[in-house]
Amino acid sequence: NAGVMQNPRHLVRRRGQEARLRCSPMKGHSHVYWYRQLPEEGLKFMVYLQKENIIDESGMPKERFSAEFPKEGPSILRIQQVVRGDSAAYFCASSPNSRGRETQYFGPGTRLLVL
Amino acid sequence: SQQGEEDPQALSIQEGENATMNCSYKTSINNLQWYRQNSGRGLVHLILIRSNEREKHSGRLRVTLDTSKKSSSLLITASRAADTASYFCATGGGSEKLVFGKGTKLTVNP
Repeated sequence: NAGVMQNPRHLVRRRGQEARLRCSPMKGHSHVYWYRQLPEEGLKFMVYLQKENIIDESGMPKERFSAEFPKEGPSILRIQQVVRGDSAAYFCASSPNSRGRETQYFGPGTRLLVL
Repeated sequence: SQQGEEDPQALSIQEGENATMNCSYKTSINNLQWYRQNSGRGLVHLILIRSNEREKHSGRLRVTLDTSKKSSSLLITASRAADTASYFCATGGGSEKLVFGKGTKLTVNP
């Protein structure tokens, strides 16, 4: 059973470009969470999605950031018109839709560098 | 807002010694989890302790939870160089977001 997969692992963008980060949850998991980690910091929650629904987006910046988890395919975190402050590691986690779903399983992350 | 606060921020020990990390949190919880992050990698789940549990073991790991003090500790016994990593406590999970502290950076010297 493959773990949570994220791609790309590293992404370099210039200011003003768009960044698209992808996350494929573990097989059988229907809950996806996105977190952001700045250097030397803990992870900060951004958004929680189930298939085709955004459940909690309280950690998402109001502008430029959006997330989706379509019926088919991976979850996408999209950052429009990136700025240097968006440089960070972005982690996706998934959990099952069943008992024991307190544990979230993390992907390896996407490290975004904005030049 | 940050829920968990780990201390110390950094800890350096010799191989074979025990490492103790502490975590304090602010609000009531259903459970508390500990994660490990190796440099440049994702997080690995170590252990979950529920609010009605006081202590839990997993291999060389021992976690305690004191809900009256809103604190938890993670003990790694007989540490190894491979235990070098950052350790985070987190509250929440399930249908709730996880709220992480800033972590304890553990270095185990061979």
